[in-house]
Amino acid sequence: GDSVTQMEGPVTLSEEAFLTINCTYTATGYPSLFWYVQYPGEGLQLLLKATKADDKGSNKGFEATYRKETTSFHLEKGSVQVSDSAVYFCALRAWTGRRALTFGSGTRLQVQP
Amino acid sequence: GAGVSQSPSNKVTEKGKDVELRCDPISGHTALYWYRQSLGQGLEFLIYFQGNSAPDKSGLPSDRFSAERTGGSVSTLTIQRTQQEDSAVYLCASSSTSGGGLDEQFFGPGTRLTVL
Repeated sequence: GDSVTQMEGPVTLSEEAFLTINCTYTATGYPSLFWYVQYPGEGLQLLLKATKADDKGSNKGFEATYRKETTSFHLEKGSVQVSDSAVYFCALRAWTGRRALTFGSGTRLQVQP
Repeated sequence: GAGVSQSPSNKVTEKGKDVELRCDPISGHTALYWYRQSLGQGLEFLIYFQGNSAPDKSGLPSDRFSAERTGGSVSTLTIQRTQQEDSAVYLCASSSTSGGGLDEQFFGPGTRLTVL
C-alpha cells in the first residue's frame, strides 16, 4: 500500500539557518503530494502542495519539488524563523481510488533565537 | 461557517463507556474525513464520506468504531466500549471535491479523547 517516510525529529536549528526535511513516498501512479504544518496548540494547516512531477509547491518561504524519479518531496526553507517552530507532516493522496491522505510520522522543528 | 468545527474539544471517559464525537464541515463541502492522531501511530485515516456514496470505512480499526453523516453535512463518530488505546486526537476534515483533482482538505481543531 501507499506510504510516506519522513526524517526523524526533532530538528533543532538556529534562526536564519537553512532547513531541509526529507520526505519520500511509495505509491503507484502519480499521487498528489502535500506538506501540512501543525503549530503548537493549533490544527493542521496545508502549507504547500504539488500534483505532478517537477511541480514546485511554495508558501511562506517554504518550497518542495515533486521528484518522480526519486519519489521525494523534500521541504526546504532558506532562512527559518522562531515562528516556524511546529510539526511538519508530509502526505500523499493516491492517484486513483482512495481520496484520504496518507501521512508521514511528522517532524518536529524547533528554531532557537 | 468559517471552518471545520468539532465538539467537544476534550473528552475524558472511563474504559467501557461509549463516546460520540461531532464534526461540522465547511458549508458546501461534499467530502468529509475522519483521522486519528496518536503518539504511537501518527496520523491515521479512519473513514471517508463523499456525497451520497457509500462511505470508505477501510481505516476503521475495529467494529467498535462507526460513523454517520446526516443530510450530507454533520458527522458523528461513535466509539463503543472505549479502550485505553482509543486515547488520541480525533481530527475531522472536509473538502469540496470540485473536480479539479486537488481538493484541499481543511482540518478541524480536533477532539482530544482520553480513556481512563
